This record gives sequence, structure tokens and C-alpha cells, in this order.
Amino acid sequence: GAVVSQHPSWVICKSGTSVKIECRSLDFQATTMFWYRQFPKQSLMLMATSNEGSKATYEQGVEKDKFLINHASLTLSTLTVTSAHPEDSSFYICSVGGPRGFGPGTRLLVL
Amino acid sequence: GENVEQHPSTLSVQEGDSAVIKCTYSDSASNYFPWYKQELGKGPQLIIDIRSNVGEKKDQRIAVTLNKTAKHFSLHITETQPEDSAVYFCAARDHNAGNMLTFGGGTRLMVKP
Repeated sequence: GAVVSQHPSWVICKSGTSVKIECRSLDFQATTMFWYRQFPKQSLMLMATSNEGSKATYEQGVEKDKFLINHASLTLSTLTVTSAHPEDSSFYICSVGGPRGFGPGTRLLVL
Repeated sequence: GENVEQHPSTLSVQEGDSAVIKCTYSDSASNYFPWYKQELGKGPQLIIDIRSNVGEKKDQRIAVTLNKTAKHFSLHITETQPEDSAVYFCAARDHNAGNMLTFGGGTRLMVKP
């Protein structure tokens, strides 16, 4: 599976600001990347599928204008949480290239 | 879409005992079932997986069984050790959705020394 990195590993921001999270595939060229969200003591829920060179596909209930996804290259996808609010505080995890390719996650805390 | 249920939500065992976690899935077209271990603050780590053409798979102290007819699969950990303490997730791959995984709710395993 792909070796995946995420940056930052954790971020604290004020309510109303935007936060960008990067997901990089270090050894695999990915036309598709997946973004998951995990609330405390809960399971991973797929938010969206990031497609290189085209629009992301969002799961039902996920606001595409709030969670902006850009997949500009085969090794980088970014998730921007716009106008973040405390309820957006969560652990965001990306996945690349199959079942082994999960990133280490990014913990977002919105104050 | 696929729905995966996992039981129990928490499991406490004594070191050396076995632990069993069970999952059921709803989509008969699912054909791939991975298990993940997630430690606090980290991403999920694949520990074992099984495909629908296989009934059982073993890797040292970990084994997974699959009953395709009943649509359930289980994780078995033998000779548990304190370092096995973590949250475990089962998942199923949606046959019609590429590499997208649907996760179970998770099981918090605590191995008491």
C-alpha cells in the first residue's frame, strides 16, 4: 500500500477561520484519494473522494462548499475546512491507493 | 449502500486470553474485508484482511473467519498482550464503489496485565 503523510498533524484555530490539511502520497501516484472524518470514540466516516484533475465526490450530508477539496497532482490532495466552527473539531484522515494506505491523521480543534 | 455492524463496542480480557470481535455486513456484493488497529491519535493500521473466496486466514496470533452466506466475519486474537490494547475496526469494501471502505463502529480492546 501507499506511504501517506498528512500535514499538519494537529491544528488549533479560532472559530470562523479556514484551515488547510494536506495529504501526500509519497510512493504512489493516486488518481483517487479518500478523506475520512472521525469524531471522538466513533468510527471513520467517508467524507469525500478526491479525484485528480476533476471535482471531488462528496458523501451525503457533507457540505462541499464548507469542505473544499483540491487534488491538483497525483501525489497531493488538500482539504480546506472553511469558516470552521467547534463542531468541525475532529480527526481527519486521508487514504490513498488501497486498504494499507491510511495517513496518520490530522487533529483539528476549533475554539 | 453497505452497512457494517460491529460487536462488542468494548472488550476487556486478561493478558493471555483470547479476544473475539464480530462484524456483519449487508451488501452481498462486498468481497473484501480488512481489519484495522487504531492506537490513540494515530491513523488506522491494517492488521489482516480476507477476501470473499476464502473462509479463514491466519497470521501468527491473529486470525479472521468469514461466513459469506451469513454475511459475517470475525477477528480472533489469541494469547493477548497489553500492547494489543487499542481500538479495532472491521470494514467491508463496496463492490460498486472502487476502493471505498465502509467501517464498523469499532471495538475498544483492553488487555489487562
